[in-house]
Amino acid sequence: TQLLEQSPQFLSIQEGENLTVYCNSSSVFSSLQWYRQEPGEGPVLLVTVVTGGEVKKLKRLTFQFGDARKDSSLHITAAQPGDTGLYLCAGARNNDMRFGAGTRLTVKP
Amino acid sequence: GAGVSQSPSNKVTEKGKDVELRCDPISGHTALYWYRQSLGQGLEFLIYFQGNSAPDKSGLPSDRFSAERTGGSVSTLTIQRTQQEDSAVYLCASSLAPRSARARIHFGNGTRLTVT
Repeated sequence: TQLLEQSPQFLSIQEGENLTVYCNSSSVFSSLQWYRQEPGEGPVLLVTVVTGGEVKKLKRLTFQFGDARKDSSLHITAAQPGDTGLYLCAGARNNDMRFGAGTRLTVKP
Repeated sequence: GAGVSQSPSNKVTEKGKDVELRCDPISGHTALYWYRQSLGQGLEFLIYFQGNSAPDKSGLPSDRFSAERTGGSVSTLTIQRTQQEDSAVYLCASSLAPRSARARIHFGNGTRLTVT
């Protein structure tokens, strides 16, 4: 059982659609990070959220940290083929970083 | 170099053989991490080095796994008597700041290990 559950596991959409992926846990985290990983490469940090209820925007990506700091969501507006990849969330507790299994997103042109 | 460098990028080995995986962190980064990524699984923490402190080895799955970091820079992950379940992508990462909730971790591209 993963400490961080990500859903959906797979998502395939058309270019221009909006989507939301989720990262849930029963544990409280001091921060939560989102990474994107492309095939053959390592994960690349997108954002770190540290305050319950915090919302951060990165161009077409909106990240939200739950009020109780147990969950997070990533919303992508008007998805593009370049958004294709594996999206990983990672939660920090006591300086220990735990990763979810990821959501594999495919955006078709 | 500009990023975290790992070698080899791919390694195929026979069951029972030993393998060594190398990681060159970003210059000046005092923290170094090893993770394992299996298909459909999240990144599994293996080991963490911080400066001259004793490493956190709590994630190593068995005593067949060991890692060293020489001179506070290059690190080698060694797997002895490899098993098929060791097949995975082994990712190395480094950060300028010590491990913390806000540490910005930079990953290498990984070594894909296949044990036949």
